[in-house]
Amino acid sequence: GAVVSQHPSWVICKSGTSVKIECRSLDFQATTMFWYRQFPKQSLMLMATSNEGSKATYEQGVEKDKFLINHASLTLSTLTVTSAHPEDSSFYICSAREGRGLTQETQYFGPGTRLLVL
Amino acid sequence: DQQVKQNSPSLSVQEGRISILNCDYTNSMFDYFLWYKKYPAEGPTFLISISSIKDKNEDGRFTVFLNKSAKHLSLHIVPSQPGDSAVYFCAASFTQGGSEKLVFGKGTKLTVNP
Repeated sequence: GAVVSQHPSWVICKSGTSVKIECRSLDFQATTMFWYRQFPKQSLMLMATSNEGSKATYEQGVEKDKFLINHASLTLSTLTVTSAHPEDSSFYICSAREGRGLTQETQYFGPGTRLLVL
Repeated sequence: DQQVKQNSPSLSVQEGRISILNCDYTNSMFDYFLWYKKYPAEGPTFLISISSIKDKNEDGRFTVFLNKSAKHLSLHIVPSQPGDSAVYFCAASFTQGGSEKLVFGKGTKLTVNP
């Protein structure tokens, strides 16, 4: 099956620094990538949808200036958490969707990145 | 507010028996429902889905039932195997602004005991 990787798998940073998380589709081209966030014992919450070559669409309540998303190619999307604060500590997970087929079923998830802001 | 609810955080069953995972939703606009399986340190993987116009979909040991009037769906695994032990997420799909989006439940951790 299609593989999506994320890097890094975990990161610890100081408050006020920026952290970049990469999401790659390894064996298919992803026209659309999604970024989710999951707090402990909560569900995955969609943060934003990014289409290759265009600006990301953010969900209500998600600050676009804080969570910068770049989808520069059909295999790579990056999420940058700017000026991170302890409340940004969470599990960030991306998914990538192939361009064809039943869209709901062809959304493949990465393994996630755990961010801890001290 | 939770639009997709999985009220049981965990479930334990014996190998060979049936596992039933439940999911309730509140939004009538959902048009597709999916179940994902997640192992530790891995991303969710798609398991089975059902369109809102159907009431049952079966794939091998996995069957999903949809009761639209009750806004309830369930995933049946029979017979259950130890390898089925994982967290199962229920998700619902809808289209907004031309984009399809998934709303997830909190997940149910299934443990199948040998």
